[in-house]
Amino acid sequence: GENVEQHPSTLSVQEGDSAVIKCTYSDSASNYFPWYKQELGKGPQLIIDIRSNVGEKKDQRIAVTLNKTAKHFSLHITETQPEDSAVYFCAASNILTGGGNKLTFGTGTQLKVEL
Amino acid sequence: GAVVSQHPSWVICKSGTSVKIECRSLDFQATTMFWYRQFPKQSLMLMATSNEGSKATYEQGVEKDKFLINHASLTLSTLTVTSAHPEDSSFYICSASTVAGWTGELFFGEGSRLTVL
Repeated sequence: GENVEQHPSTLSVQEGDSAVIKCTYSDSASNYFPWYKQELGKGPQLIIDIRSNVGEKKDQRIAVTLNKTAKHFSLHITETQPEDSAVYFCAASNILTGGGNKLTFGTGTQLKVEL
Repeated sequence: GAVVSQHPSWVICKSGTSVKIECRSLDFQATTMFWYRQFPKQSLMLMATSNEGSKATYEQGVEKDKFLINHASLTLSTLTVTSAHPEDSSFYICSASTVAGWTGELFFGEGSRLTVL
């Protein structure tokens, strides 16, 4: 099965700095890579995703890059703000034809943005 | 985005009792729902995949008689923790895939925190 590793487990940055979280996956058949933000006591919220036919995707201050050859993908947050503080999870899956998206999650990164 | 609602958001029960958690897709139909379990400061672990109108598929190590899953309609899946014990205390989260225009995105509920005394 798929195995997703995520680093670092904790990340502390100053407000306005950039934050980078990295993940590696094991199954070359995986073709969908979402990133989720989870605030304390809440469910995960999708912040950005990327598919295997794309190398990079950007949405305002958030970007994700994918290297299929190396089987790793990264989340980049620029101009960090205190409200970016949360736990971030990467995930990987092989989207099945006709539906069903069984995600394997990384271990999470606690991001703290300090004033 | 689409909304997935879980109820209750938190529940406390006595050891030996059963607890039911509901997961509803409010503005879309979901052929597939997933149930996860999350311990404090840990990742989400998939427990089972629930397909409307059929039996759930459980992940290895998850007791199907302990965690009963029912997906009776395209908008509702339920997880029942039977004969709950303190070690079942956890944060349970569901997610759902849309039927029409499915893009691969999963929508997550807000989670249900179970505490077994």
